[in-house]
Parts: sequence; structure tokens; C-alpha cells
Amino acid sequence: DTGVSQDPRHKITKRGQNVTFRCDPISEHNRLYWYRQTLGQGPEFLTYFQNEAQLEKSRLLSDRFSAERPKGSFSTLEIQRTEQGDSAMYLCASSLVETGGFGYTFGSGTRLTVV
Amino acid sequence: AQSVTQLGSHVSVSEGALVLLRCNYSSSVPPYLFWYVQYPNQGLQLLLKYTSAATLVKGINDFEAEFKKSETSFHLTKPSAHMSDAAEYFCAVTGSGAAGNKLTFGGGTRVLVKP
Repeated sequence: DTGVSQDPRHKITKRGQNVTFRCDPISEHNRLYWYRQTLGQGPEFLTYFQNEAQLEKSRLLSDRFSAERPKGSFSTLEIQRTEQGDSAMYLCASSLVETGGFGYTFGSGTRLTVV
Repeated sequence: AQSVTQLGSHVSVSEGALVLLRCNYSSSVPPYLFWYVQYPNQGLQLLLKYTSAATLVKGINDFEAEFKKSETSFHLTKPSAHMSDAAEYFCAVTGSGAAGNKLTFGGGTRVLVKP
């Protein structure tokens, strides 16, 4: 197992375009989390899944954002009608239910730049 | 509700000198505390975690942190800085039960190591 994989590593998009990011967690991990990290700040929680169920969403996750984990394995995060304020690093993490926040493994992130 | 404050967004140390990064937390439930390190364009790597066992926690690369409930602090130290310690460091908190489903991060402290 190579850990948590995120694709793409970098994405440059024009304002108003839609973008989609993918996260592949550690295979046996049933929890998957998305965080957003803007420049000079710590990561902020966006949402998390347990298997395919999305159990919590932050107020940061506006209606332009949608996340899915259709088969309880990989997850996608889509941003519609991107805005410059969406420019950030999007981090994915996974864990077992039993370890929760204690046992996160983070991916290397997807850096989004909206121009 | 939980929050983390990291005092000092930038710290400069000489190689071989003590590294001290400050973290204070606020939590309405017994906290579990973490220090993560982030290298440029990378995800987060766990340095150490406090999960209510010993209050002095040892982590990787000779880092350690001490949980002080009376001071609501979880400061990170390393006796002798190495050039490879140059990175950004994040303190994070979570709780037990439902509160343990996500991490709340501080704003980060960027460490510069001078030769």
C-alpha cells in the first residue's frame, strides 16, 4: 500500500470552470476526510465519509462544492463555477473508524490555482 | 468547540540550537493533541500525539511535547535543530466520541534553520 494518493497534484483553472479532484485512501481505511488549506493557514475541515456515507459537512462546503465516495473506496471533490477564493491546497486523509482523528494518514494534496 | 493557537507564525533558530514551538488549545471535552510537520508542497506528517497516557510525548526525529492541562498547552521541542527541520509545523486538537471525527488545526509555525 502506497498510502493516500491524490490526483492531480496541481491544477490551474480559469474562474468559472469546474474542477474535480480524486483521492484514493489506504485500502483498508473506511473513513475519508477532505480538508482545505489556504496559503499561510492551517488545514480546515470540509467533510468526511464513513464508507460511502457522507457523515458531516462543514459550513465551508458551499453549494458549489460536492464530494462523493460512491463505492466506499476512492472519493472525488468537485468545485463548480470556481472562484479565486477557491485557490488552496485540498488535502485528503483516511483512517480506520476505530482510530478516527488519532490515526489519520494524509495525502500530498492537490494545489488549485484559480486565475 | 475546540480551537488551537500557535504563538509565532515564524521561528528562526540556529543549527544545533533548541527548537521551541508553542501551542495552546481550547476544548470543551478532554483533548487529544497532535503535532504535524509539512514540507513544501507536501501533505502532513504526524510527529507525535497525546492521547491521555503520558503527558510527555516523544515523537519522531527527536521531537517531544508536553501536555500541561493547567496551562492548556502542548508545546513542541527539539534539543538540537537540524537543517532538515526547516518546515511548517501545525498543532491540532480533537476530542473523543463524535468530537473525534475531525481535527482542528492551528495556523502553523514556519521554522527557518540557520547554518
